[in-house]
Amino acid sequence: GAVVSQHPSRVICKSGTSVKIECRSLDFQATTMFWYRQFPKKSLMLMATSNEGSKATYEQGVEKDKFLINHASLTLSTLTVTSAHPEDSSFYICSASLAGLAGGSTDTQYFGPGTRLTVL
Amino acid sequence: GNSVTQMEGPVTLSEEAFLTINCTYTATGYPSLFWYVQYPGEGLQLLLKATKADDKGSNKGFEATYRKETTSFHLEKGSVQVSDSAVYFCALNRAGNMLTFGGGTRLMVKP
Repeated sequence: GAVVSQHPSRVICKSGTSVKIECRSLDFQATTMFWYRQFPKKSLMLMATSNEGSKATYEQGVEKDKFLINHASLTLSTLTVTSAHPEDSSFYICSASLAGLAGGSTDTQYFGPGTRLTVL
Repeated sequence: GNSVTQMEGPVTLSEEAFLTINCTYTATGYPSLFWYVQYPGEGLQLLLKATKADDKGSNKGFEATYRKETTSFHLEKGSVQVSDSAVYFCALNRAGNMLTFGGGTRLMVKP
């Protein structure tokens, strides 16, 4: 149980285009989803926290207008990188925490497999 | 504030060697502590967790004990395998269920 998927796993796009990444909790409802960015051989940097039906909370230094997050349902959150540039190339990872699942733990985050974005 | 410090890697071991990866933390309150593992090209997988002092988390032969007195959560395994080669992240949760990660420790196990 507690599986999180991301789509696509890899994407290559041209500079100036927008890219949407989906994050889904497959077998549970997630009250909260998190978006991280990971640079090569580095730790994860939290970008934003999103709760279903409300606006995302962004970490300091993360551009809200560039990284649009939509959490439309308890099983789906999307991250859209708008007007992407080469410096946006990175590994983007989402996670989700459980919402009242019997036997589940609400303090644990379950991570998706990540999406590698390359902007040419 | 909250922070997590891990030993820097890479840690290189021979198969069947004993593994310790040190992790210490600073935190307000009593956070839950986690170890996550990341295999090449993949996202993070929860390895084990502990929610209160003196709790021991264990999974797949790995163990870590929540030590409040030393603010530590060291990861250990008695006999590593080549398949354990990965990056290991220590983390704690803070307000709003957000995670603070350590810098990660790369483990390389040679046959």
